[in-house]
Amino acid sequence: KQEVTQIPAALSVPEGENLVLNCSFTDSAIYNLQWFRQDPGKGLTSLLLIQSSQREQTSGRLNASLDKSSGRSTLYIAASQPGDSATYLCAVGDSSYKLIFGSGTRLLVRP
Amino acid sequence: NAGVTQTPKFRVLKTGQSMTLLCAQDMNHEYMYWYRQDPGMGLRLIHYSVGEGTTAKGEVPDGYNVSRLKKQNFLLGLESAAPSQTSVYFCASSYQPGELFFGEGSRLTVL
Repeated sequence: KQEVTQIPAALSVPEGENLVLNCSFTDSAIYNLQWFRQDPGKGLTSLLLIQSSQREQTSGRLNASLDKSSGRSTLYIAASQPGDSATYLCAVGDSSYKLIFGSGTRLLVRP
Repeated sequence: NAGVTQTPKFRVLKTGQSMTLLCAQDMNHEYMYWYRQDPGMGLRLIHYSVGEGTTAKGEVPDGYNVSRLKKQNFLLGLESAAPSQTSVYFCASSYQPGELFFGEGSRLTVL
């Protein structure tokens, strides 16, 4: 059974700092991996989608990497801003259309 | 473009009552999903559908039923609500396995 773990559970950093969020999964036979952002009381917004054949994806200040063999993904946020404060979730997908989610990292960027 | 719309957004039920959550998407997506989100546990898949007229069980299907009579709608039903079903419910849709678009969520409290 696939299990997804995100460390740390919470993170507080000063504005301007570069940071890395970690995601690990137990079964390397994944179809893709997706990073989401969730603001309090809101739904999930997709940030980056990495197919199993890819090593990384970039969008603006965000960069996500994928290492299937080690069962790891990282989300790198450059020059963090207070508006980046949110919960970040990673999810791994299999070919049967299902996503398995981690429990998230709650990020606070202090002004 | 509304995307994924969930109704109702809030509901309070008494134990044993029944209710239906409606999810509607206007993106012509084949795949639709119902998740629940509980504190510290991430999102867990309840049921999903890979096309009109199809449904399948996810990780936590017990106590729930679903129907996909029209491609754009995916209904989640609780026949006899229990306090353990107090949660935030999210609907999602996708045009390919794994790349999900989420609704804003429906907060259900069962007393």
